[in-house]
Amino acid sequence: EVQLVESGGGLVQPGGSLTLSCAASGFPFRTYNMNWVRQAPGKGLEWLSYIRSSSSTSMYYADSVKGRFTISRDNARNSLYLQMNRLRAEDTAVYYCTRDRGWGEFDSWGQGTRVTVSS
Amino acid sequence: DIQMTQSPSSLSASVGDRVTVTCRASQTISTYLNWYHQKPGEAPKLLIYTASSLQSGVPSRFSGSGSGTDFVLTISSLQPEDFATYYCQQSYSTPYTFGQGTKLEIK
Repeated sequence: EVQLVESGGGLVQPGGSLTLSCAASGFPFRTYNMNWVRQAPGKGLEWLSYIRSSSSTSMYYADSVKGRFTISRDNARNSLYLQMNRLRAEDTAVYYCTRDRGWGEFDSWGQGTRVTVSS
Repeated sequence: DIQMTQSPSSLSASVGDRVTVTCRASQTISTYLNWYHQKPGEAPKLLIYTASSLQSGVPSRFSGSGSGTDFVLTISSLQPEDFATYYCQQSYSTPYTFGQGTKLEIK
């Protein structure tokens, strides 16, 4: 069974940093592209970032997080990460790790981890 | 960036009804269009990919059609578990973008 389990969310002050992790199991992690998607309270879905399966040199970001967030992966540990710096109140959201079916279709989602940016 | 616009934003329907949700892209995206639904407190779930392909395990009452800029999600006979919010998403190019959502409620 495919499982994606996010962790690392919490309360952080504006300007602070946080690193989210996503532990993958039940599938050959190293062969799948992965993404992060978030959802602000009461709002819709926002794609944030993509990383290719075997090449950590191929990453893409939404303009809203470019230069502040960094996606990475450790295929030996079956883990995906999102380093978030210079956090703002508008980054408050539930953050989901998603498996990419191959062409940008998100066929598996974690349960999400909540990030709250507030003083 | 490619903008995705769904209509309607909300919809009331009854069990057994046939329902359609439309999604329009601001530029052509071929068939790189995916549909999800999300129930309160849960993660989204992929229903349809590449406009018309049914994701494994999704009931056949769900179907998708369209290409270019205009797409449709159809639920042939609503079931109680289908009341949720539906999102379209383009995967033609990054940044991948979602529609604003269509909330399907019980009449």
